[in-house]
Amino acid sequence: AQSVTQLGSHVSVSEGALVLLRCNYSSSVPPYLFWYVQYPNQGLQLLLKYTTGATLVKGINGFEAEFKKSETSFHLTKPSAHMSDAAEYFCAVSAMDTGRRALTFGSGTRLQVQP
Amino acid sequence: DGGITQSPKYLFRKEGQNVTLSCEQNLNHDAMYWYRQDPGQGLRLIYYSQIVNDFQKGDIAEGYSVSREKKESFPLTVTSAQKNPTAFYLCASVRTDNQPQHFGDGTRLSIL
Repeated sequence: AQSVTQLGSHVSVSEGALVLLRCNYSSSVPPYLFWYVQYPNQGLQLLLKYTTGATLVKGINGFEAEFKKSETSFHLTKPSAHMSDAAEYFCAVSAMDTGRRALTFGSGTRLQVQP
Repeated sequence: DGGITQSPKYLFRKEGQNVTLSCEQNLNHDAMYWYRQDPGQGLRLIYYSQIVNDFQKGDIAEGYSVSREKKESFPLTVTSAQKNPTAFYLCASVRTDNQPQHFGDGTRLSIL
């Protein structure tokens, strides 16, 4: 079975500050990892993904994440927060488990950006 | 533009009533999924379908039913057996295993 833990349900940063959203996963098979962003009353939009290859993954809107197998982590970062980054962020893991490949989501982290 | 269309955006259910949420995609994706989102709990898988005329229960299938008669369509019925249906429902689809899922804009279901 696979699982995802997002540390911190709420994170607040100042505009221009570093954004760090933490994600740890567990999976008995090599996982695919994703970060999604959700704005109020909307669906999820993909920020970035890791499947194989380079462990530092760059996504949209200046976000990036690094896959660290030894730490079972996939933390999301952005060097400088913008007001438009305020949203909820979900980390998800996909692994072939019991014959199905389905996403397992973390409980989400709400990012606030203070002016 | 290709995408996933969910309708309606808002839906209200009366006691003892079944309601159906629509999900249509024109991305030519084989697999489709239904998730339920509750505050502070992330998304939980209700049902999924990897091919037409076949679907599987997810983690919280009780009180829900689906059909997959066409590749493009994967409607979800919330039955009267689902005692706590108030939630935000998201439909998703994907082409192949290593690709990310694409999501619709969701349907918010409330009880009257």
